[in-house]
Amino acid sequence: KNEVEQSPQNLTAQEGEFITINCSYSVGISALHWLQQHPGGGIVSLFMLSSGKKKHGRLIATINIQEKHSSLHITASHPRDSAVYICAVGGSQGNLIFGKGTKLSVKP
Amino acid sequence: KAGVTQTPRYLIKTRGQQVTLSCSPISGHRSVSWYQQTPGQGLQFLFEYFSETQRNKGNFPGRFSGRQFSNSRSEMNVSTLELGDSALYLCASCHGGRGDTQYFGPGTRLTVL
Repeated sequence: KNEVEQSPQNLTAQEGEFITINCSYSVGISALHWLQQHPGGGIVSLFMLSSGKKKHGRLIATINIQEKHSSLHITASHPRDSAVYICAVGGSQGNLIFGKGTKLSVKP
Repeated sequence: KAGVTQTPRYLIKTRGQQVTLSCSPISGHRSVSWYQQTPGQGLQFLFEYFSETQRNKGNFPGRFSGRQFSNSRSEMNVSTLELGDSALYLCASCHGGRGDTQYFGPGTRLTVL
């Protein structure tokens, strides 16, 4: 079993839909990161969470430490949100452990 | 402030050769981490350097090594290349605190023939 599990693996949505991507982890963490990777490879860090909830524009990230679960929500989705979203947890050694990613495609 | 830069962006090598990849962090960042991304395994942590010392290491064979210079620039070396080393190699920099936001470079796409 992977230490970081994401669901779904692939997600297709219509423009304007509300999107949720889930991440569950089984290791102790110092922080949880949500990353966005566009075609071509560039990775952007969206959020870093150790508790509660953070919001940036149309993106919202939540974490439940007791349940070892985090969600990334996108409100009013847009085709430019199409990307791979990756959950990563900060391990006890300071390294990052990554989920396999969720490939999101938003159709106009 | 300039972002993280990686050179070269693309590289083609043959089995048995060695390769050196370079990463220049954001000015003021003292930590550089390296990651390998493949379609099968996804993103995997290789190692982290902080103030010229390897601070963390992932589960990769000794053919993968790195170093960091006094200006925080880092290099990664892979010796005796194998086909399975074909991947996107990403570096990321941060100030160095645990849980700091990491800023990723564009990556080096290595193809081993």
